[in-house]
Amino acid sequence: SQQGEEDPQALSIQEGENATMNCSYKTSINNLQWYRQNSGRGLVHLILIRSNEREKHSGRLRVTLDTSKKSSSLLITASRAADTASYFCATDTNFGNEKLTFGTGTRLTIIP
Amino acid sequence: KAGVTQTPRYLIKTRGQQVTLSCSPISGHRSVSWYQQTPGQGLQFLFEYFSETQRNKGNFPGRFSGRQFSNSRSEMNVSTLELGDSALYLCASSAGHVDYNEQFFGPGTRLTVL
Repeated sequence: SQQGEEDPQALSIQEGENATMNCSYKTSINNLQWYRQNSGRGLVHLILIRSNEREKHSGRLRVTLDTSKKSSSLLITASRAADTASYFCATDTNFGNEKLTFGTGTRLTIIP
Repeated sequence: KAGVTQTPRYLIKTRGQQVTLSCSPISGHRSVSWYQQTPGQGLQFLFEYFSETQRNKGNFPGRFSGRQFSNSRSEMNVSTLELGDSALYLCASSAGHVDYNEQFFGPGTRLTVL
């Protein structure tokens, strides 16, 4: 079963613009992670935010977490063509356990 | 460090056959997890192994099984294949830290069941 729902399902923007994706989840979490997947390949870990954190930055990525609303957002600034991919949020709900529950994903297309 | 490797990358089988997929984790990682990805169901957790023991299991039928060896390499097996088993099977390894389980994914094995 899917823990997270991502919004929007698909997003197309011009190169250079910012892209924002949202993730909602259902149960309490230990941490939330964002992954990128290029065209049916393996997933690449982007960023992890713990349940006691509200915001985290990594390069052009900014992630926020609102545990009261059970939601997170991923902002990619100054988008590039290479950012075209599917983005998934994944929640870790079991302390010390490696199981991740993934959202449905957002397909991001950057138009050059 | 070499990344997570999965073999084979592509596989075609027919209904009723069985298949074994292999995953070699990053050196030093003791946890290996398996996920199934399909267009309809998305990414779904299959099971996780840590130090040769299955530590967690998803909601998949008993036809799906796995194991982990002493060198942390893992295999998953699917018996009596069904058309719906066609999917991308992803393996991920992790150092297994208690509060930080960033997982490193392999490129996946694309299984097609005819």
